[in-house]
Amino acid sequence: GESVGLHLPTLSVQEGDNSIINCAYSNSASDYFIWYKQESGKGPQFIIDIRSNMDKRQGQRVTVLLNKTVKHLSLQIAATQPGDSAVYFCAENQYNAGNMLTFGGGTRLMVKP
Amino acid sequence: EAGVTQFPSHSVIEKGQTVTLRCDPISGHDNLYWYRRVMGKEIKFLLHFVKESKQDESGMPNNRFLAERTGGTYSTLKVQPAELEDSGVYFCASSQLETQYFGPGTRLLVL
Repeated sequence: GESVGLHLPTLSVQEGDNSIINCAYSNSASDYFIWYKQESGKGPQFIIDIRSNMDKRQGQRVTVLLNKTVKHLSLQIAATQPGDSAVYFCAENQYNAGNMLTFGGGTRLMVKP
Repeated sequence: EAGVTQFPSHSVIEKGQTVTLRCDPISGHDNLYWYRRVMGKEIKFLLHFVKESKQDESGMPNNRFLAERTGGTYSTLKVQPAELEDSGVYFCASSQLETQYFGPGTRLLVL
């Protein structure tokens, strides 16, 4: 598959447990952050985003936390389900300095039934 | 509403040949982006169109890569001549504001 050769950190959780996926970003000037989910053979799918003027944002079963002091982003998934198994990427953007997204390396989430 | 579509889904070519990838963005999205992930590396930005204009092509690796977006609708990315290191997955994304929506990608293998 397309992840061959890319050694991804893996998080293995039991179905029903909560998952926390972490990401460190590099550019202190970044002002917009996104989490994407990528399933095998598909493109990155938007999950949730957060602007730098916020430190927490909640969606359906997902919460993103932003700590600008240490340049850290996390994605929390509540009551993890088998369908959540995928590779998760964080991405950062400095919106007014160009729209290019800078991606992290990704974390593979495996949900055990 | 249809999402971002890409064609072909897979392409296997020999070194030195030419390949053209196509991306159809979400209707009404002025912004169109190309990214790629080569083996063992992270997803990297290639370039950004606003309508038919190249806004940022700082990620294009070399002059073997040519992207066009005539008429500001679909875009093509041509690799000529292809080299072994061009193998990877090429993603297209589109946006109206800051949220970028990705297509399924084209998996390119250069032999």
